[in-house]
Amino acid sequence: AQTVTQSQPEMSVQEAETVTLSCTYDTSESDYYLFWYKQPPSRQMILVIRQEAYKQQNATENRFSVNFQKAAKSFSLKISDSQLGDAAMYFCALDSGGGADGLTFGKGTHLIIQP
Amino acid sequence: DTGVSQDPRHKITKRGQNVTFRCDPISEHNRLYWYRQTLGQGPEFLTYFQNEAQLEKSRLLSDRFSAERPKGSFSTLEIQRTEQGDSAMYLCASRDYSYNEQFFGPGTRLTVL
Repeated sequence: AQTVTQSQPEMSVQEAETVTLSCTYDTSESDYYLFWYKQPPSRQMILVIRQEAYKQQNATENRFSVNFQKAAKSFSLKISDSQLGDAAMYFCALDSGGGADGLTFGKGTHLIIQP
Repeated sequence: DTGVSQDPRHKITKRGQNVTFRCDPISEHNRLYWYRQTLGQGPEFLTYFQNEAQLEKSRLLSDRFSAERPKGSFSTLEIQRTEQGDSAMYLCASRDYSYNEQFFGPGTRLTVL
């Protein structure tokens, strides 16, 4: 069985500062994908960033980057220059079944942006 | 491409009634997923279709739940004899076979009274 753990129920950051959201996971597979999804108050999930496990280079998308530590099974999300629009629930998700078992999500981190 | 759509967006029903939800995936996506999300939790996988074939079902999907995807296009999720514990947001997602990214719909919020 695969699991995803997000140990920070809530995080708060000042606008324009940097925040890091933590995620650890467990899977017996060697090939898998990791994702960070954002769910704003309107509740539609939006992909923020994805990482393929066989790629050692950390993924980056504009102000969003990840720190992928495969041996430690850790996958944190760094948001630089935080903006008010970044306020949302952030979910870490794992796909180690080639898509056949769906995504396994963590419980989420509620990110608050202080103006 | 208008994205994944779901209908209805909200459904209130009485315990014991049957409800059906619809999901229209992105047109060229052959994989379709259903998830359930309760308050304060991440989504939980329910079932997966590749084209019209239902290939995986979670043990969360009790006998009262059934899903179909006729002709490999839209999908329906039916819950029979609803219970208060079925109250949740039901999310649909789709993706292309070749690229691993799931696109989510806005969800259907079910309230069972």
